Amino acid sequence: AQSVSQHNHHVILSEAASLELGCNYSYGGTVNLFWYVQYPGQHLQLLLKYFSGDPLVKGIKGFEAEFIKSKFSFNLRKPSVQWSDTAEYFCAVEGNTPLVFGKGTRLSVIA
Amino acid sequence: KAGVTQTPRYLIKTRGQQVTLSCSPISGHRSVSWYQQTPGQGLQFLFEYFSETQRNKGNFPGRFSGRQFSNSRSEMNVSTLELGDSALYLCASSFIFAGTSGENEQFFGPGTRLTVL
Repeated sequence: AQSVSQHNHHVILSEAASLELGCNYSYGGTVNLFWYVQYPGQHLQLLLKYFSGDPLVKGIKGFEAEFIKSKFSFNLRKPSVQWSDTAEYFCAVEGNTPLVFGKGTRLSVIA
Repeated sequence: KAGVTQTPRYLIKTRGQQVTLSCSPISGHRSVSWYQQTPGQGLQFLFEYFSETQRNKGNFPGRFSGRQFSNSRSEMNVSTLELGDSALYLCASSFIFAGTSGENEQFFGPGTRLTVL
């Protein structure tokens, strides 16, 4: 069965700091990979997705993620965070079963 | 176009009662999936319907059930509510169902916040 592991439960950064959130999954077959964001009081929104092709994918709001197949990883990055990036971030994997989500990483950006 | 809508947005029930939640997918989407979100367990898959047929089912007890109508709208039902059923229930829609080769992107609704007292 697929599983997703997000390494950080809560990350606190100052504005303009760089961000990297880790995501590892366990599934040996072809996967679709996603990062979703949930802003306070709002619903889940898709940040970016990987289906195939270039393993470096760019999403909305300056986020990007790199799929490293050999490491079963799909880490999320942003060069410079803003206060408005404060939210919960979920990595999700779809292999031969419906979406499996990681437990989420809460990002707090302070001024 | 309109996004995924869920009704009601908030619900308070007592133990032992049953509840029905509704989800209207994005126009043209035929797959509807349901998820339970809790602080402790995170987002967990409940079930997925495509063209009125349940395609996938998560690891939840039989008290959790669902159905999909010919217009792709979906309902989920929880019978004999327990305190632990308190959660945010999310619905997501997509063109195709999970496991189909292809680019399957799910769009989420705002959720129904269920509180069981």
